[in-house]
Amino acid sequence: GAGVSQSPSNKVTEKGKDVELRCDPISGHTALYWYRQSLGQGLEFLIYFQGNSAPDKSGLPSDRFSAERTGGSVSTLTIQRTQQEDSAVYLCASSLVRHVDEQYFGPGTRLTVT
Amino acid sequence: KQEVTQIPAALSVPEGENLVLNCSFTDSAIYNLQWFRQDPGKGLTSLLLIQSSQREQTSGRLNASLDKSSGRSTLYIAASQPGDSATYLCAVPYSGAGSYQLTFGKGTKLSVIP
Repeated sequence: GAGVSQSPSNKVTEKGKDVELRCDPISGHTALYWYRQSLGQGLEFLIYFQGNSAPDKSGLPSDRFSAERTGGSVSTLTIQRTQQEDSAVYLCASSLVRHVDEQYFGPGTRLTVT
Repeated sequence: KQEVTQIPAALSVPEGENLVLNCSFTDSAIYNLQWFRQDPGKGLTSLLLIQSSQREQTSGRLNASLDKSSGRSTLYIAASQPGDSATYLCAVPYSGAGSYQLTFGKGTKLSVIP
């Protein structure tokens, strides 16, 4: 079946603009995660959605970052007033039910803020 | 706080050699451990998930072992091939209350020389 998909694959934006990144999880997976991978850094957790429960937003680096998940499926990560330090690869993952289940990752969105 | 370490950061081997990648974690109360592969500019591909109750998990030329008590896991790759060249990451689910992220090591970059 289809894996996790993300769009766009690449995004170049000017400092100060808002961007939206999209994630389509594996069908039937109720858990969805966003991570960020900066050059030379490890993977940084951003946010976790599980079904209809309140999301775990503990990893969001600032209030410029927000995410939503509509209908328990597609998720959108929004970064407002982008800054150069936001440049990174944003990865989305999904798992069947819980965070301890095997996580499957999408190809990522490479964001470059100029 | 769980910390995951992978040593070495980079490894270069000739084709055909067997090799071992190491992963250590500070909190042994883990639920499972997952090994991933990441090709340059790509997302993560799940290789193996080994449950805390298991000692080993095998897939093709890959074998992952887990020793919870010592806080270590190894990924053994048999008869390495140039196509195995990638960065290998290990990750464990965070075991703290109310948080649902994977904690990743920074990875081992493997180069298999033809």
